[in-house]
Amino acid sequence: GENVEQHPSTLSVQEGDSAVIKCTYSDSASNYFPWYKQELGKRPQLIIDIRSNVGEKKDQRIAVTLNKTAKHFSLHITETQPEDSAVYFCAASFNSNSGYALNFGKGTSLLVTP
Amino acid sequence: AAGVIQSPRHLIKEKRETATLKCYPIPRHDTVYWYQQGPGQDPQFLISFYEKMQSDKGSIPDRFSAQQFSDYHSELNMSSLELGDSALYFCASSSRTTLPDTQYFGPGTRLTVL
Repeated sequence: GENVEQHPSTLSVQEGDSAVIKCTYSDSASNYFPWYKQELGKRPQLIIDIRSNVGEKKDQRIAVTLNKTAKHFSLHITETQPEDSAVYFCAASFNSNSGYALNFGKGTSLLVTP
Repeated sequence: AAGVIQSPRHLIKEKRETATLKCYPIPRHDTVYWYQQGPGQDPQFLISFYEKMQSDKGSIPDRFSAQQFSDYHSELNMSSLELGDSALYFCASSSRTTLPDTQYFGPGTRLTVL
């Protein structure tokens, strides 16, 4: 099955700095890569996603890049704010007749200090 | 916009008891996914349904069963509960006809087994 690895497990940045989280996946058939933000005790919230036919996608301060050859994708957050502090999960899934179950990375705990 | 609804939000059970968790997907979503998230862990895929049929199966114990009804809501039935079943249980929904791979999560049910 799919194996998603995520680094780093914790990340501390100063407000206004950039944060980068990286993930690798093992199944070359994977073609959908979402990123979720989860605050303590809350639901995973979809913040951005990318599909395998695109190399980069940006939404305001958040961007995701995908390298299909190397099988890795990254989340970039610019001009970080304290409210960006949360656990971020990358995930991967592939289009199959049986569905689109997500395989998650272990998560990155991001702390943005004022 | 309407989101995924889960009930109950909190549930406390004793060992060996049974529990039923309910999920109401976003209107016009036809696919439901169940995930289990232990403390400090990533969400683990349990099972999914599309048009009332089981579409994919993950690490769901044999003690658990689930189904999707004609109104697309889903129920996760858990029997012979064990201490290790204490976790957050998330339901997510998607639409096969628009963005089949994009999943939106409900607020979760926190199950505590004593």
